[in-house]
Amino acid sequence: EAQVTQNPRYLITVTGKKLTVTCSQNMNHEYMSWYRQDPGLGLRQIYYSMNVEVTDKGDVPEGYKVSRKEKRNFPLILESPSPNQTSLYFCASSRTPATNEKLFFGSGTQLSVL
Amino acid sequence: EDQVTQSPEALRLQEGESSSLNCSYTVSGLRGLFWYRQDPGKGPEFLFTLYSAGEEKEKERLKATLTKKESFLHITAPKPEDSATYLCAVQAASGTYKYIFGTGTRLKVLA
Repeated sequence: EAQVTQNPRYLITVTGKKLTVTCSQNMNHEYMSWYRQDPGLGLRQIYYSMNVEVTDKGDVPEGYKVSRKEKRNFPLILESPSPNQTSLYFCASSRTPATNEKLFFGSGTQLSVL
Repeated sequence: EDQVTQSPEALRLQEGESSSLNCSYTVSGLRGLFWYRQDPGKGPEFLFTLYSAGEEKEKERLKATLTKKESFLHITAPKPEDSATYLCAVQAASGTYKYIFGTGTRLKVLA
């Protein structure tokens, strides 16, 4: 089954403790992206990747890191999480980084930073 | 600044009561407008892409239309299983292949 898989689904951590949220897609997609979803603010892009080893900042990249060493994986790293990073996170992918390609989303990771 | 605004924020309908959701946008050149459906605890799921003014697409009880300033998602004779949050997104012609999302409309259809 074609899908985007995120782990974990739920994560509670404390301020400053490094964490990684994994994202993997099995559709051989070139484009991958991370979003955060907050009430009243909608989905905001954190980082995106056009292909392996090519990443760039989205609208809200502060406090986050990403890497794209393999085509299928695009982990999101929080080196020193803070409470304002408490949010619902989604990984998404599309076939190519081209115009009008629909996004496939993972099921989300609910992160709470205490 | 590129912007997407959805209205209403929330909508309650009786089963069979048709209505429309609105997505107004301001972008410097539109590459495409997307509608997604999001169920609680899940990621958004693609519904439609519209490319140019005047275009319409249909899927079961849903019909999406596009003008130069806005898009409508018409829901005809909705059923309780249509209850979800509906998200609108645009891809702007300027800059990178960025998607700008609206905050969504929470639809509840009562039996």
